[in-house]
Amino acid sequence: AQSVSQHNHHVILSEAASLELGCNYSYGGTVNLFWYVQYPGQHLQLLLKYFSGDPLVKGIKGFEAEFIKSKFSFNLRKPSVQWSDTAEYFCAVNFMGNDMRFGAGTRLTVKP
Amino acid sequence: GAGVSQTPSNKVTEKGKYVELRCDPISGHTALYWYRQSLGQGPEFLIYFQGTGAADDSGLPNDRFFAVRPEGSVSTLKIQRTERGDSAVYLCASSLTPTGAETQYFGPGTRLLVL
Repeated sequence: AQSVSQHNHHVILSEAASLELGCNYSYGGTVNLFWYVQYPGQHLQLLLKYFSGDPLVKGIKGFEAEFIKSKFSFNLRKPSVQWSDTAEYFCAVNFMGNDMRFGAGTRLTVKP
Repeated sequence: GAGVSQTPSNKVTEKGKYVELRCDPISGHTALYWYRQSLGQGPEFLIYFQGTGAADDSGLPNDRFFAVRPEGSVSTLKIQRTERGDSAVYLCASSLTPTGAETQYFGPGTRLLVL
């Protein structure tokens, strides 16, 4: 079955630390890949997405993600996190249908 | 407003009752999606509309759940004979077109609690 896995449930970092959140999916075909973020008290919003072209995708607020097809991965990165990055991060995959499958989410806490 | 809106923001009901949850998508968006998010989980797909028709309802858990979008804009998710396990946040999203690469814009959700 098609599924999306996020490796870390809760990540705690200090400001200026580097961030990498893992995301893997199980499907051998063509996919569209997304990272959504939910800040405290706010609704889900798009950070970045990949559907074709350069596998290194840059999003808002300094985030980027790299699609590695051979590893079925789409990890999210940021070189230096800020306190305002505290949020829940969701990886999502569209398996070329119209439904989106989400991972369970990773809660990021950034200590000032 | 420019975003997706959902009403009510919170709904408390008793087991066995009927509830309706409303979603007002971004104007001009043809695709509308419903998701359910339980505590500690990511959103789970329920149903997707292209215009007025339900193009994919494979995520609806059982026949107590039903959704409509009669005029291709506002959608209502209907839950009959609610059960405690239906308690969750129900999210609505819309996108300009239904292609898989389109960004889905999410509403704030309706938090449903079944006592």
